[in-house]
Amino acid sequence: EVQLVESGGGLVQPGRSLRLSCAASGFTFDDYAMHWVRQAPGKGLEWVSGISWNSGSIGYADSVKGRFTISRDNAKNSLYLQMNSLRAEDTALYYCAKVGDGYKAWYFDLWGRGTLVTVSS
Amino acid sequence: AIRITQSPSSLSASTGDRVTITCRASQGISSYLAWYQQKPGKAPKLLIYAASTLQSGVPSRFSGSGSGTDFTLTISCLQSEDFATYYCQQYYSYPWTFGQGTKVEIK
Repeated sequence: EVQLVESGGGLVQPGRSLRLSCAASGFTFDDYAMHWVRQAPGKGLEWVSGISWNSGSIGYADSVKGRFTISRDNAKNSLYLQMNSLRAEDTALYYCAKVGDGYKAWYFDLWGRGTLVTVSS
Repeated sequence: AIRITQSPSSLSASTGDRVTITCRASQGISSYLAWYQQKPGKAPKLLIYAASTLQSGVPSRFSGSGSGTDFTLTISCLQSEDFATYYCQQYYSYPWTFGQGTKVEIK
């Protein structure tokens, strides 16, 4: 089955760190760029970070630049998001998302169910 | 960053109605625009990419149009399962950005 499964979310105090993981299955993981998108409770979608198939190209939203680090392990079919110096405004459901097929197909055609990160003292 | 202005933020409609949602980009993005549907408690689902290409498995009552800065999602004959929130997203340049969302509610 083609799917993405996120894990690693939880309750964390402001200033602390958390590492999210996304396990991919059912497709050739190292053929695709991967992204993280988040959604604060009751709010819209916000792109967080993306990484190319070979980790050669990486991008971050300004809101997380310098605090979050995206990475991937193609041998383990896994995507990661290391989140440091967490703030209350980072509280959200974090989705892992796969890009589409073809040239410049940078939309998201497969999403996980998300993992909830709550930053609170 | 490219700003995406989506309108309306919400609308009320009845089954069978024709519904139109628009997105305007702050600069030209060619056809690098996607539309997603999100139901409560669920992940977003891709409906349309490249502004007008229907994702496999998506009903033909959904259609998209536009290029440059102005885009439209149309649901030709609203069904009960279409009541949801819809988002557009540009993937022309980093950082990718989403519209604010349009909640389609039952009248």
